Amino acid sequence: DSGVTQTPKHLITATGQRVTLRCSPRSGDLSVYWYQQSLDQGLQFLIQYYNGEERAKGNILERFSAQQFPDLHSELNLSSLELGDSALYFCASSGRGTWTETQYFGPGTRLLVL
Amino acid sequence: GQNIDQPTEMTATEGAIVQINCTYQTSGFNGLFWYQQHAGEAPTFLSYNVLDGLEEKGRFSSFLSRSKGYSYLLLKELQMKDSASYLCAVRWDNQGGKLIFGQGTELSVKP
Repeated sequence: DSGVTQTPKHLITATGQRVTLRCSPRSGDLSVYWYQQSLDQGLQFLIQYYNGEERAKGNILERFSAQQFPDLHSELNLSSLELGDSALYFCASSGRGTWTETQYFGPGTRLLVL
Repeated sequence: GQNIDQPTEMTATEGAIVQINCTYQTSGFNGLFWYQQHAGEAPTFLSYNVLDGLEEKGRFSSFLSRSKGYSYLLLKELQMKDSASYLCAVRWDNQGGKLIFGQGTELSVKP
């Protein structure tokens, strides 16, 4: 158990809908990262927050947004969902968001868009 | 670009040793991680290298050559439970904590 929690574990929804994925980092970690993993793309970095501020951005779609709250939990919002958004979404956290910090991954949310 | 290359699949025998290689672009390099991932589960941290040389951790070791843009993960005394995907991930300068992952090497351990 990494200490990172994610809810829900599974999510099934329809195209065009909007969903929110939630992540709580390990106790004391200030950085949260979101990754998407699909069969054909591997593990892709989406976005990083450090202590409430956006720190780094990957190829995150405009339909996707995220935020980190004062209690350091984070939410990833996915809107206008398409079939291709079906994937595993992982959250990871690390200590101070600096270069040497190891990222520890949560169990993931499996999203299925029908 | 920031491509990371690793073999797609490898097969080895229980009790043997296997080496999984990873190559990456050297410019701006700032650390390399190895993760293990079983199907449908979260990646779990195995090792971190930022300086040249070998880091040993029980049955697992990881090596780095920064000048060559090359790393390998060495797994000794293979067990059936080591069957998993092994992910090489690199961090580059000035990109926060962002990790770029390779596609992963699917290791099958046979009896």
